[in-house]
Amino acid sequence: DAKTTQPPSMDCAEGRAANLPCNHSTISGNEYVYWYRQIHSQGPQYIIHGLKNNETNEMASLIITEDRKSSTLILPHATLRDTAVYYCIASEETSGSRLTFGEGTQLTVNP
Amino acid sequence: NAGVMQNPRHLVRRRGQEARLRCSPMKGHSHVYWYRQLPEEGLKFMVYLQKENIIDESGMPKERFSAEFPKEGPSILRIQQVVRGDSAAYFCASSPRGISTDTQYFGPGTRLTVL
Repeated sequence: DAKTTQPPSMDCAEGRAANLPCNHSTISGNEYVYWYRQIHSQGPQYIIHGLKNNETNEMASLIITEDRKSSTLILPHATLRDTAVYYCIASEETSGSRLTFGEGTQLTVNP
Repeated sequence: NAGVMQNPRHLVRRRGQEARLRCSPMKGHSHVYWYRQLPEEGLKFMVYLQKENIIDESGMPKERFSAEFPKEGPSILRIQQVVRGDSAAYFCASSPRGISTDTQYFGPGTRLTVL
């Protein structure tokens, strides 16, 4: 699986968009980009994933650059409950489904 | 539709005892994964199982740890002769199939404390 790099921490004001970057410059063509989050030591929660097209669901949007070397997770209207550690993971279908979690980004949403 | 269930949520053991952690996957899911999160550290993959088969145990410690997912009943992560360093949160996840494009859904975890 490709290594991913994320900033260790970010702050965001409540109600504003939170844009969380992830660098995956060595990603291969068949590796997907996944985002999970972990709220205060609860079980990780799936957010979204994509291969090369931008994706949107009820939780967030995922923007993947054309060269696929980086991506951005967007929480359009952050709330206090979005305070969590966000993990960006690159995972190849043949990796045996193992998710390799890095350090993630601690997002703090401030009132 | 119930999510992934883990029990117990908290488990306290003394050094040398055995710990049994149980995981019931989501309905319709036949693939189970176990991860461990040591205090102040990230999540680490331990083992991936299908019904009655261990598919990938590359993250399991070589001794004292074992896992099973029988044809009937929950998946069990068993730790024999626990030591203080086993104190951690153990998370189980499940997916409908065994490919990485499947979303893994995580349970709430079991927090093991070894005294």
